[in-house]
Amino acid sequence: KQEVTQIPAALSVPEGENLVLNCSFTDSAIYNLQWFRQDPGKGLTSLLLIQSSQREQTSGRLNASLDKSSGRSTLYIAASQPGDSATYLCAVRRQPGANNLFFGTGTRLTVIP
Amino acid sequence: KAGVTQTPRYLIKTRGQQVTLSCSPISGHRSVSWYQQTPGQGLQFLFEYFSETQRNKGNFPGRFSGRQFSNSRSEMNVSTLELGDSALYLCASSLAGTGNQAFFGQGTRLTVV
Repeated sequence: KQEVTQIPAALSVPEGENLVLNCSFTDSAIYNLQWFRQDPGKGLTSLLLIQSSQREQTSGRLNASLDKSSGRSTLYIAASQPGDSATYLCAVRRQPGANNLFFGTGTRLTVIP
Repeated sequence: KAGVTQTPRYLIKTRGQQVTLSCSPISGHRSVSWYQQTPGQGLQFLFEYFSETQRNKGNFPGRFSGRQFSNSRSEMNVSTLELGDSALYLCASSLAGTGNQAFFGQGTRLTVV
């Protein structure tokens, strides 16, 4: 059974700092991995989708890397801003054509002005 | 382009009642998935519908059911509500095909009293 873990569970950083969020999964047979952010009481906003054949994806200040063989992904946020405060979730898709995502436990990020 | 729309946004129901939640996917998306989010269990996959057929199912009791209409809109139904069914229910839509990005709605907050 696929298990997805995110460490740390919570993180507070001062504005402007660069930071890394971690995601680990137990079964390396994944098709792709997606990073989301969730604001309190709201839905999920897709940040980056990284295919199993890719090593990384970038969007603005965000960079996601994937090491499928070791079961790890990281989300790098550069020059953090208070608006980045949210819960960040990673989710893995095990096979193509299946949209049942396995979610991590999330990292709650607070960026202090 | 409109996003994923879920209605209603909030619901309060009594134990033993049943409830129906609705999800309208992004235009052109044929895959709709449902998730339950609770503080204790995180995000858990309920089921996925594609072209009016259930394609995947999570590990939830039979009280949880769903369907999809020819216009790709989907409903999920929970019968004989229990206090533990209180959660944020999220719907996600994806393009047909292999492993496309999942886009989430704002969710329906269900409270069972």
